[in-house]
Amino acid sequence: GAGVSQSPSNKVTEKGKDVELRCDPISGHTALYWYRQSLGQGLEFLIYFQGNSAPDKSGLPSDRFSAERTGGSVSTLTIQRTQQEDSAVYLCASSLDGSNTEAFFGQGTRLTVV
Amino acid sequence: AQSVAQPEDQVNVAEGNPLTVKCTYSVSGNPYLFWYVQYPNRGLQFLLKYITGDNLVKGSYGFEAEFNKSQTSFHLKKPSALVSDSALYFCAVRATKAAGNKLTFGGGTRVLVKP
Repeated sequence: GAGVSQSPSNKVTEKGKDVELRCDPISGHTALYWYRQSLGQGLEFLIYFQGNSAPDKSGLPSDRFSAERTGGSVSTLTIQRTQQEDSAVYLCASSLDGSNTEAFFGQGTRLTVV
Repeated sequence: AQSVAQPEDQVNVAEGNPLTVKCTYSVSGNPYLFWYVQYPNRGLQFLLKYITGDNLVKGSYGFEAEFNKSQTSFHLKKPSALVSDSALYFCAVRATKAAGNKLTFGGGTRVLVKP
């Protein structure tokens, strides 16, 4: 596609439910990032995939969060047993590689846990 | 561990005046540095980057940034600000491949340009 695509754009879920957020990166981009942004604040790093290397999971806030990237393309971020503090905008980005190329961001998924 | 600091939460400037948004970084080895802008209810847009070479880099919408290795800074500048430049600005750093490649963002600086 022309850009990074994220779905759904908005998600309202009940506390305790599981949610899956999807990211479709730009074709050919080997690097993929997930970030979390609360109320127009800074970007909190969650996880980074680069090619076939083991992902950098150092930013995942708890074991309720997990992510996978199938076939080096589409990525899914899963949040289990959602809590109200998980409410935020989840942003996905991809870049051509993991070095000096800029990352392109999707429009994000706004998650609201009620 | 790499980090980025944007010391000002908000910068206010009158339209037509110069705009500067400050950024300092900490990283092992040579850095790759980026600026992004986020307009209200929009995604992040890439403005410019420093990889190597000339310390002054030019980007979109008339913005430029100066890399200063000794001060570990990468301040964003625009000679004459527009009201439409009002947005949230993020500085980001990525270390070289050997250091892990993670793209780390600063906390953001909100710019308000008043007519």
